[in-house]
Amino acid sequence: DIVMTQSPDSLAVSLGERATINCKSSQNLLYSSNNKNYLAWYQQKPRQSPKLLIYWASTRESGVPDRFTGSGSGTDFTLTISSLQAEDVAVYYCQQYYTTPYTFGQGTKLEIK
Amino acid sequence: EMQLEESGGGLVQPGGSLKLSCAASGFTFTGSTMHWVRQASGKGLEWVGRIRSKANGYATAYAASVKGRFTISRDDSNNTAYLQMNSLKTEDTAVYYCTKDGSGWSYWGQGTLVTVSS
Repeated sequence: DIVMTQSPDSLAVSLGERATINCKSSQNLLYSSNNKNYLAWYQQKPRQSPKLLIYWASTRESGVPDRFTGSGSGTDFTLTISSLQAEDVAVYYCQQYYTTPYTFGQGTKLEIK
Repeated sequence: EMQLEESGGGLVQPGGSLKLSCAASGFTFTGSTMHWVRQASGKGLEWVGRIRSKANGYATAYAASVKGRFTISRDDSNNTAYLQMNSLKTEDTAVYYCTKDGSGWSYWGQGTLVTVSS
């Protein structure tokens, strides 16, 4: 199984500052035939369902603010929130959809400093 | 508007069974792969399994933690996916979500709570 490891487990950032969450996969998520990384990022607020933010490692889902940016390739990926807003307080998960069993990172809890 | 609505959760004793439903609307259900994902209280997301479309032979795949105990099926005539859970364990206690496959999973239901306890 592909293991997804996020860092840090929790993060406190001041409003307006940058937040960076890392995700490392135990196997390559870049599919050579289409040059796409099968990596997604989700945001989950308390008592809500997960919300897709980023897919193909760097493609922003429709309606997601452009302060959210996904980057990386292969086994190392990053979610960056350029200027933290109060509504960004949530738990963030990376997920590989390269192969079953599809696996998620353990989550990173983002709070306001 | 694309919608997914889970139902069927509740309290069940260890060793018991429960069948969850996921009613879909607003998209072409027959051509869609559907997933089940669960989340124990205060824990992360765990993929449970998926079922592909008729065109893909209704192929299923499961997490090791549920394989042999859980079965995913679908009724395309009613736009509904199911999760049959047998031999339930206390560690199966979680909110169960259904979600539609895609390049990233954009659509999720609100979840249904399954509690396995004596």
